[in-house]
Order: sequence, then C-alpha cells, then structure tokens
Amino acid sequence: SQTIHQWPATLVQPVGSPLSLECTVEGTSNPNLYWYRQAAGRGLQLLFYSVGIGQISSEVPQNLSASRPQDRQFILSSKKLLLSDSGFYLCAWRPNRLAREQFFGPGTRLTVL
Amino acid sequence: GENVEQHPSTLSVQEGDSAVIKCTYSDSASNYFPWYKQELGKGPQLIIDIRSNVGEKKDQRIAVTLNKTAKHFSLHITETQPEDSAVYFCAASNYPGSYIPTFGRGTSLIVHP
Repeated sequence: SQTIHQWPATLVQPVGSPLSLECTVEGTSNPNLYWYRQAAGRGLQLLFYSVGIGQISSEVPQNLSASRPQDRQFILSSKKLLLSDSGFYLCAWRPNRLAREQFFGPGTRLTVL
Repeated sequence: GENVEQHPSTLSVQEGDSAVIKCTYSDSASNYFPWYKQELGKGPQLIIDIRSNVGEKKDQRIAVTLNKTAKHFSLHITETQPEDSAVYFCAASNYPGSYIPTFGRGTSLIVHP
C-alpha cells in the first residue's frame, strides 16, 4: 500500500534562517507531487507541483523553492524565512497523471519567530 | 481558471442532526469533485468523490450530489456524531486534463453532543 511521510512534524525557526521540509512517498512510482500551505483560516494554497524528477512548477512567487531529487522525494526550501512563512505545510500526491484522487500527508507545522 | 465557492464557512449542529455543505464551481470542464475531511492538526483525508457522469453517490452516512447544469455539488452527512467535527473541503478538477484541483475555502463543522 502507498504511504506518504512528512518530516519534521513541527518546526520552530527564527526569522532569516533556512528551511528544508521533506516529503517522501512509498509504494508507488512516478507520482505527481504537490506542496500546499495552509495559514490560519483553513484555505489550501498550492505552492509547487511536480510531474517528474527535476520538473517543478511554481504557482506562487515567493521566497520558497522546491526540488525533486528522486522520484518519490519532494523538498520545500527557503534560504531566509519570513514571519509570513509560518503555517501548516502539506505535501500531497497523485498516483499518476491518469489518477483522479489526490492524497495528503500528515503535514508540518512551521512557526517562524 | 476554475473558481470554487464553499458555504457555509461554519456549521454548528446537534448530534443526530443532518449537515449539508454546498459548493459551486465556475468551469464547465470540471468533471471530478472530491470532498476532504481535515481533523485538527492533521492532513486532509479524502472521504468521498463524485464524477460528472453521476448525480449522487452514497457511502454509509455521507452522500454527495452533483448538479452539472447549475454547477453545484453538496456534501450531506446524516445522523451526525461528535467525531464528524472537522473542517471539510470541496474541490473541483478537470480529469485527466489538469493536475491541479481547485479547493473551496473550507467549512468548519461542529457537532454538539
């Protein structure tokens, strides 16, 4: 069966520090991968998505970046965090481009102080 | 692009009552409509979905209806229980054309014992 992991579960970082959040998917190959941010207020904001290794599409220009170094690994990064980067970061996956369903990971709670 | 409106933003019911959450979409090409349940501090979980060639789908106490002509779809929860308390999201996507579902802003459902 397929599972999705996000690491870490919670993170507290000072303003100006770097960021690296990791998402890995097991039990599937060549999934579509997504990063969302959920600020207080519940809405899901799509940040990046990837249809394959090295292929990243950005939906929102900001100080975040994403990379997909391996088929089932998706990383969200920042060189210098802002207070406004605080939120709940969700990784999601779709089995392939022909699949309808999208599944979410457990999320990472990021607090920038 | 697609626009999904979701109402109400908050819904408070007594245990045993029914709850209905409504969504409208703008893109007539959308043909897949999933619903997610997000419990506090967790990632959204896919609970039911409907395709555009179906008018209604049921799974135990939950059901979803779709009116393609009016471009709206609804989630119905009968015999609500306290554990149904969560934030519910609707979404719309164009399968297999788009990799990206458009989400509503969420409904916070509170079921009072």
